[in-house]
Amino acid sequence: ELKVEQNPLFLSMQEGKNYTIYCNYSTTSDRLYWYRQDPGKSLESLFVLLSNGAVKQEGRLMASLDTKARLSTLHITAAVHDLSATYFCAVEVSGSRLTFGEGTQLTVNP
Amino acid sequence: GAGVSQSPSNKVTEKGKDVELRCDPISGHTALYWYRQSLGQGLEFLIYFQGNSAPDKSGLPSDRFSAERTGGSVSTLTIQRTQQEDSAVYLCASSLAWLGGSTQYFGPGTRLTVL
Repeated sequence: ELKVEQNPLFLSMQEGKNYTIYCNYSTTSDRLYWYRQDPGKSLESLFVLLSNGAVKQEGRLMASLDTKARLSTLHITAAVHDLSATYFCAVEVSGSRLTFGEGTQLTVNP
Repeated sequence: GAGVSQSPSNKVTEKGKDVELRCDPISGHTALYWYRQSLGQGLEFLIYFQGNSAPDKSGLPSDRFSAERTGGSVSTLTIQRTQQEDSAVYLCASSLAWLGGSTQYFGPGTRLTVL
């Protein structure tokens, strides 16, 4: 059974600081997704990583994928309050269904 | 709007009743997925439909759960004889292709509360 683990699960950081969220998974896959969820809202797609070594950047967020290590990272640069949300990584299985991590609840404090 | 839509947004029901949840995918998307999100279990896959092929029902938690997709578009998730543990947010997603590597776009969800 595929397991997807994120850490940390809770992250409180100050504005302007950098931090990395880690996503480890237990089986071979070269397709990994990052989503953002605001309280009471649905999931918003952030990044799609489709190959080993893939790196995607959007604003203050950068995601990367190392399929050999079965690891993806979501790096936050110079955090701002608007980034406060829960971030999920999800691994694609059998070309379709997603298996999600537990989510990382990020709070950026002024 | 061109996004995935779901109805109702909220549903409160009594234990033992049946409920139907509806999903309208993005036009042209051939793949449709149902997930549920609960505090105890996180985000769980339930079922997915790919074009005219038989659906993958491997995530359905019990035989009280069923889903259909009519005309390759709208989908209905039915829960019979609801139990309190069915309380969750049910999310529908669609994607352009089922071959993989295609972003799944999520709807706003239906919050189901079973009393």
